[in-house]
Amino acid sequence: EVQLQESGPGLVKPSQSLSLTCSVTGYSITSNYWGWIRKFPGNKMEWMGYISYSGSTSYNPSLKSRISITRDTSKNQFFLQLNSVTTEDTATYYCARFGYDGTYYYYYFDYWGQGVMVTVSS
Amino acid sequence: VQMTQSPSYLAASPGESVSISCKASKSISNNLAWYQEKPGKANKLLIHSGSTLQSGTPSRFSGSGSGTDFTLTIRSLESEDFAVYYCQQYNEYPPTFGAGTKLELK
Repeated sequence: EVQLQESGPGLVKPSQSLSLTCSVTGYSITSNYWGWIRKFPGNKMEWMGYISYSGSTSYNPSLKSRISITRDTSKNQFFLQLNSVTTEDTATYYCARFGYDGTYYYYYFDYWGQGVMVTVSS
Repeated sequence: VQMTQSPSYLAASPGESVSISCKASKSISNNLAWYQEKPGKANKLLIHSGSTLQSGTPSRFSGSGSGTDFTLTIRSLESEDFAVYYCQQYNEYPPTFGAGTKLELK
């Protein structure tokens, strides 16, 4: 069974970097596409970006200058780094796997982690 | 693409049927997914491509619509169905989500 689990600090100070890990079991991250999504207080959700099976990345233009997604294939993990955070980055952060029909990948998400709440506060 | 879900809140009883609306600000063909969110659990993909049930989704769930107007219908509600539901379009980049509909027990 495919399982994803986010981990990382629950509290980050303004202007610092937010770093999260997504640990995947039951499926190799060298297959498929893997993304980060966040949900703000009030339930608005935002797509952040992905890393592909080959290691290529793509980011939401709204975050492009602050975000980086990387991976460690030996540990079957991928990572989110968000720089220069503000209180507006307070959210629950999710990692997720792209949908795949055997031919094409799709920007819907068939497996999610449970999410990790991150608060940005001094 | 802006996604507008309604209602934001819905109260119903087991056995009833409910419908949740999702409207896109422009045509998204049938590139729409529905998710279920429950506390402490991973979000569950229910439906993709507007009306295709994801493996494991009970048949009491159905999706309809194309273009800008979509509907998630749950027939004969069961206790496990009380949750928050989100729609999401993936026709245009970046993918965008509705604000969610909370389905509560009446």
